[in-house]
Order: sequence, then C-alpha cells, then structure tokens
Amino acid sequence: GDSVTQMEGPVTLSEEAFLTINCTYTATGYPSLFWYVQYPGEGLQLLLKATKADDKGSNKGFEATYRKETTSFHLEKGSVQVSDSAVYFCASSNFGNEKLTFGTGTRLTIIP
Amino acid sequence: DAEITQSPRHKITETGRQVTLACHQTWNHNNMFWYRQDLGHGLRLIHYSYGVQDTNKGEVSDGYSVSRSNTEDLPLTLESAASSQTSVYFCASSGETGGIYNEQFFGPGTRLTVL
Repeated sequence: GDSVTQMEGPVTLSEEAFLTINCTYTATGYPSLFWYVQYPGEGLQLLLKATKADDKGSNKGFEATYRKETTSFHLEKGSVQVSDSAVYFCASSNFGNEKLTFGTGTRLTIIP
Repeated sequence: DAEITQSPRHKITETGRQVTLACHQTWNHNNMFWYRQDLGHGLRLIHYSYGVQDTNKGEVSDGYSVSRSNTEDLPLTLESAASSQTSVYFCASSGETGGIYNEQFFGPGTRLTVL
C-alpha cells in the first residue's frame, strides 16, 4: 500500500537557521503531495501542495519540490522564525482517491 | 465563513460506554473523514464518506462506526469504548475537485480519554 516516511523529530533550531524536513513516499501511479502544519492545540492546516513531478509548492516562505526520480517532497525554509514552531506532516493522495496517507509528523521547535 | 467544527472538544468516559463524537461542516463538501492522532503514528484514517448514505472503512476501523444522513454531518461512534481508543480525533472534509488537489480541511480535534 501507499506510505509516507518523514524525518524523525523532534527538531530544534535557532531563529534564522535553514530548515529541511525530509519526506519520501511510495505510491502507485502519480500521487499529489502535501505538507500540513499543526500549531499547538489546533487542527491541521494545509501549508503547501504539488500535484505533478517537478512542481514546486510554496507558502509563508516554505518550499517543497515534487521529485519523482527520488520519490521525495522535502520541506525547506531559508530562515525560520519562532512562530514556525509546530508539528509538520507530509501526506500523499492518489489521483481519483480522496484519501490521504500521512507521515508520522515532525515536531519543530525554534528557539530565539 | 465556511468552517468545520467538532464537539465536544474534550471528553472523559469509562471503558464499555458508547461515545459519539460530532463533526459538522458548512463547506457543503461531499467528502468527510475521521482520523485519530497518536504519538509515533501520525494520523490514521478510521472511516470516510464520499456522500450521503456512503460510508467506508479506513485502516483502523475496528470498534468505530459512522453514518451519513446529510451532507453536513458525520458522527463517529465508539460502540464500547476501550482504553486503546484514548486519542485525539480529527474530522476533515474535502470538495469535489476531480481528484487532483484533494485538499482536506480539518476540524480543531476532540481529545478523548477512556478510563
């Protein structure tokens, strides 16, 4: 079946550091890929998405590129802020199938 | 503004009791989902529905049931609560997009404790 593997956490960085959270997927066909963010005490919010190979999703300074050759969708941000502290989930969904498959989540803490 | 709400936000119950968690969305979405979130597992799909009168089992459906009598609501019932069902439960919905984007909108969650 489909699966998503993402970087184990927790991750702690200083403010203005560069962030990478790795995500790889296995799926039949060509899935859509997503990053969701969960702030403390809240539900998940869509951060960014990509629907085909080489697409780059971006939002709030975060970016991720859909790499079919490496089956990856790594999340990056050039300069993190304290407000980016949250849990980040990578997810995939096959075309025509609305179900999402989630990774286990990566807790990110940014210290001033 | 359209939204998705869950109630209650917190619930403590005893082993063996029946519990129902409510989910209500005003997006007019056809698709609705229930997940549970546990440390080390991320989110796992319990049940989902693609429209009124349609329900399907997810990967961890044992001990849970859902019914869909209208577009707005998908209540989740724990038939006989067990301590293993202590978790945070999230409801989500998504619209008819032709399957390409599959963006799901999430509720705020219900924290359930089974003693």
